[in-house]
Amino acid sequence: GDSVTQMEGPVTLSEEAFLTINCTYTATGYPSLFWYVQYPGEGLQLLLKATKADDKGSNKGFEATYRKETTSFHLEKGSVQVSDSAVYFCALTPSGATNKLIFGTGTLLAVQP
Amino acid sequence: KAGVTQTPRYLIKTRGQQVTLSCSPISGHRSVSWYQQTPGQGLQFLFEYFSETQRNKGNFPGRFSGRQFSNSRSEMNVSTLELGDSALYLCASSSGTSGGAGTNEQFFGPGTRLTVL
Repeated sequence: GDSVTQMEGPVTLSEEAFLTINCTYTATGYPSLFWYVQYPGEGLQLLLKATKADDKGSNKGFEATYRKETTSFHLEKGSVQVSDSAVYFCALTPSGATNKLIFGTGTLLAVQP
Repeated sequence: KAGVTQTPRYLIKTRGQQVTLSCSPISGHRSVSWYQQTPGQGLQFLFEYFSETQRNKGNFPGRFSGRQFSNSRSEMNVSTLELGDSALYLCASSSGTSGGAGTNEQFFGPGTRLTVL
């Protein structure tokens, strides 16, 4: 079945460091891809999405590009802030399955001042 | 606009009991999805309801069921509770209608924390 694999955490970075969180997926057809974020004490929020190959999703300085050839959707940010500390989830919606999200295990990011 | 609300926020039950959780979606949203979040299994999709009909279903046993009312509010029921059902249950709402699969943004509620003793 469809699945998402993302890098294990925790990831600990200093403020202004470059961030990459790897995400790869297994799916038939053309799934839609998402990154969700869960800040401490808050609910899950959509960070960015891409619905077709080569699309780039971006929001709040974060970016991810839908790479069909490598089945990847890595999350990047050029300069992280302490306020980016959160758990990040990569997810997909299978082709033809509206509103069904399959999540990766989540990656805890801790940014130190 | 009010966000997704879930009640109750915390619940303690014992094995063998049943439980009903409630989710009120954002006004105007017709789709409600349910997820289970545990440390061991992560976030897993339970089911989705759209206009009172179950549209998608995950791989959970029949003890897990749901329904949606005409005002789009949804309930999830778990019968014969097991210790492994202890989890955070999240509900998400979306309009459920625009574009193709995956193009609707889902808005998550704060969750109901269920503890089974």
